[in-house]
Amino acid sequence: QKEVEQNSGPLSVPEGAIASLNCTYSDRGSQSFFWYRQYSGKSPELIMSIYSNGDKEDGRFTAQLNKASQYVSLLIRDSQPSDSATYLCAAGMNSGYSTLTFGKGTMLLVSP
Amino acid sequence: DTAVSQTPKYLVTQMGNDKSIKCEQNLGHDTMYWYKQDSKKFLKIMFSYNNKELIINETVPNRFSPKSPDKAHLNLHINSLELGDSAVYFCASSQVRTAGNTIYFGEGSWLTVV
Repeated sequence: QKEVEQNSGPLSVPEGAIASLNCTYSDRGSQSFFWYRQYSGKSPELIMSIYSNGDKEDGRFTAQLNKASQYVSLLIRDSQPSDSATYLCAAGMNSGYSTLTFGKGTMLLVSP
Repeated sequence: DTAVSQTPKYLVTQMGNDKSIKCEQNLGHDTMYWYKQDSKKFLKIMFSYNNKELIINETVPNRFSPKSPDKAHLNLHINSLELGDSAVYFCASSQVRTAGNTIYFGEGSWLTVV
């Protein structure tokens, strides 16, 4: 059974701080990893994707992948109240018809 | 232009009824999905179709019947609705390729069974 684990939170951070969201996955064969943001009452939207070990930066967001530890993280620098949402981690394969396995999400609350 | 669109957005119906949710994508993707998100926000795959062919069926009750008339459409029909079917149903699409499989979601259909 493929599983993706996340702490449900809520993770509370003050505005301007760094928010750190973590995720572990059980399927060692997973090759692609994604972070989605979901606002209440809305659909998940893609924030970051990462396929190789190390860091990948995009604006205020940095995704980190450690395949040996089966660990993925998302750092949000200079957190804003508008970042308050549930963040979903997902893992999948690079090829074939496999779909993504999602974690249950971590709720992030950024206070002004 | 909406990339993945699904209708209706809200649906309230009585137990035992049959209902359908329609989905269309204009991204040119070859794979479409139905995901269910329950009250605890857990997003779980139900079905996956690639070029109109069923690829994944994740032990969903046979009251749920997907239908893909072409690769741009994937509809979901639900027979004999039960209270436990109340959830948000997300249609999604992707292009299967070797460099990852990014999934794009529709806006969701909120189903309430009373």
